[in-house]
Amino acid sequence: GQNIDQPTEMTATEGAIVQINCTYQTSGFNGLFWYQQHAGEAPTFLSYNVLDGLEEKGRFSSFLSRSKGYSYLLLKELQMKDSASYLCAVRPPGDYKLSFGAGTTVTVRA
Amino acid sequence: NAGVTQTPKFRILKIGQSMTLQCTQDMNHNYMYWYRQDPGMGLKLIYYSVGAGITDKGEVPNGYNVSRSTTEDFPLRLELAAPSQTSVYFCASSSSGNTYEQYFGPGTRLTVT
Repeated sequence: GQNIDQPTEMTATEGAIVQINCTYQTSGFNGLFWYQQHAGEAPTFLSYNVLDGLEEKGRFSSFLSRSKGYSYLLLKELQMKDSASYLCAVRPPGDYKLSFGAGTTVTVRA
Repeated sequence: NAGVTQTPKFRILKIGQSMTLQCTQDMNHNYMYWYRQDPGMGLKLIYYSVGAGITDKGEVPNGYNVSRSTTEDFPLRLELAAPSQTSVYFCASSSSGNTYEQYFGPGTRLTVT
């Protein structure tokens, strides 16, 4: 099964950088997703990592280390609109379903 | 292209009542999912489907039923609603591409009193 851990809450200042960590313990691995969810809205896809390393997409980057069971989502040049919950999700091998962590609520302050 | 649509957006049920949450996708995705999300919690998988006529239980199926008669529609049925089923329900779909990235509907906020 999957055991996915991420911090509950983080607070940062507008313009700053925040790093959200996600650790997972699975019997196998076939991809890690990050989703953004604004309050009262549906999750939306941010990034997908299946190989080790850093994937950069504008102000957002996601890193994966399969040997350590570890990923992080890096949010740069924070804006007020980045205040949201960020969900880490893992896809086991041979499966198409995802297991989600509880999410990290990021609050951006002026 | 509307993506994934869900109805209703909000609903209040009395204990013991039944209802069906509707979900439709227009992306021709084979895979569809129902999740529930309780406050401060992640998404828990209720049921999923790999195609029309095929459904299977997820982590928390008790108290729910599904059907998949077409590729587009994946309704979730609540029988004998209980306060523990108060939650936000999300429907999602994915294609059978490399990533199986899931697209979510806007959610149904259900309260059982």
